[in-house]
Amino acid sequence: EVQLVESGGGLVKPGGSLRLSCAASGFTFSNAWMTWVRQAPGKGLEWVGRIKSKTDGGTTDFAAPVKGRFTISRDDSKNTLYLQMNSLKTEDTAVYYCTVGDGDYWGQGTLVTVSS
Amino acid sequence: DIVMTQSPDSLAVSLGERATINCKSSQSVLYSSNNKNYLGWYQQKPGQPPKLLIYGASTRYSGVPDRFSGSGSGTDFTLTISSLQAEDVAVYYCQQYYSTPRTFGQGTKVEI
Repeated sequence: EVQLVESGGGLVKPGGSLRLSCAASGFTFSNAWMTWVRQAPGKGLEWVGRIKSKTDGGTTDFAAPVKGRFTISRDDSKNTLYLQMNSLKTEDTAVYYCTVGDGDYWGQGTLVTVSS
Repeated sequence: DIVMTQSPDSLAVSLGERATINCKSSQSVLYSSNNKNYLGWYQQKPGQPPKLLIYGASTRYSGVPDRFSGSGSGTDFTLTISSLQAEDVAVYYCQQYYSTPRTFGQGTKVEI
């Protein structure tokens, strides 16, 4: 059974940093392209970014609002995906989900609140 | 970026009746090399993460009831719930995965 468990969310001040983790199990993590999607309170889904598998180059792509501030990495030895978020803004407040591929499976999400 | 526009924003349907949601992309999401549409539909119930219902515009994901169907090609797509059940109350999103950044429609809320 595929499981994705996000962690690392919390309250952070504007300009601060946070690192989210997504622990994966139930599938061959090293072969999977992984994606982060966020959802602001009461709003729709917003694609944040993606990392390809290492065999496919391991490259990342990001949405314009987070480009240059967020990075995605992976540790295939730990079956874990990361989202490093820097220079956080109030508009980054959202539940952050990790997904397999473009959305085959989703975690339960972790809430990030950016507020002074 | 490809803009995805859903209609309507919300709809109320009686139990057992048909629900139809439309999704339009600002450019084609049909790959001519394999004739596949890179379009998916998701269902999100309150307090839960989204679930994949349909991929490739018309292929039901594993375990999805056959009352859910997807159709369309190119830039115009439809999700149909043939006979609405109480458990189908949710927000439905379309998403294109033809190019990055991936983009979602704004969502359609389905109520009884």
